[in-house]
Amino acid sequence: GAGVSQSPSNKVTEKGKDVELRCDPISGHTALYWYRQRLGQGLEFLIYFQGNSAPDKSGLPSDRFSAERTGESVSTLTIQRTQQEDSAVYLCASSRTDNQPQHFGDGTRLSIL
Amino acid sequence: AQSVAQPEDQVNVAEGNPLTVKCTYSVSGNPYLFWYVQYPNRGLQFLLKYITGDNLVKGSYGFEAEFNKSQTSFHLKKPSALVSDSALYFCAVRAPSGTYKYIFGTGTRLKVLA
Repeated sequence: GAGVSQSPSNKVTEKGKDVELRCDPISGHTALYWYRQRLGQGLEFLIYFQGNSAPDKSGLPSDRFSAERTGESVSTLTIQRTQQEDSAVYLCASSRTDNQPQHFGDGTRLSIL
Repeated sequence: AQSVAQPEDQVNVAEGNPLTVKCTYSVSGNPYLFWYVQYPNRGLQFLLKYITGDNLVKGSYGFEAEFNKSQTSFHLKKPSALVSDSALYFCAVRAPSGTYKYIFGTGTRLKVLA
């Protein structure tokens, strides 16, 4: 596809369950970012991947959050033992390199009951 | 530590009037600065960026922004607002080295009134 694709678009789950969010970046984009956007707030940086380099995990809020990316392909963000405060829209973005414009997906709206 | 501030939650402007959406930042070194727009029920879209060079940057949909190093600002402007410009605008900053982390502002909702 032409843009960044995220799935699922919506996810409702019970507190304590694990969730996995997926991001398909634009082909050829080496940089990939995950952000969290709580209702009425700005984007909160979570993690950055650049090619095969070690990711920048400095934004992950707790050890319940983890993400993977193999090379320049799909990335998954996993949240273990979800809590109600994890409810948010999770956005993925990719760019050609780290100082180029980011192209955002439509996000996954996560609701924890 | 790097930070960005968008002091106005909402800006109202009449159609045809000039608009300004404010952004100030704090970062070590020369910053990378971006503006993004989020239309209702759509994802964020890139508007313009400043990395280096001319302080006045022109972007999509007739928007421009001026990098002012002394005031640490990067305000978004448009000479004549359209109703279709109504959206949520985000300023973002990154330090030029040592991190790949982008800091986004809390957003400014622009309402252009017909």
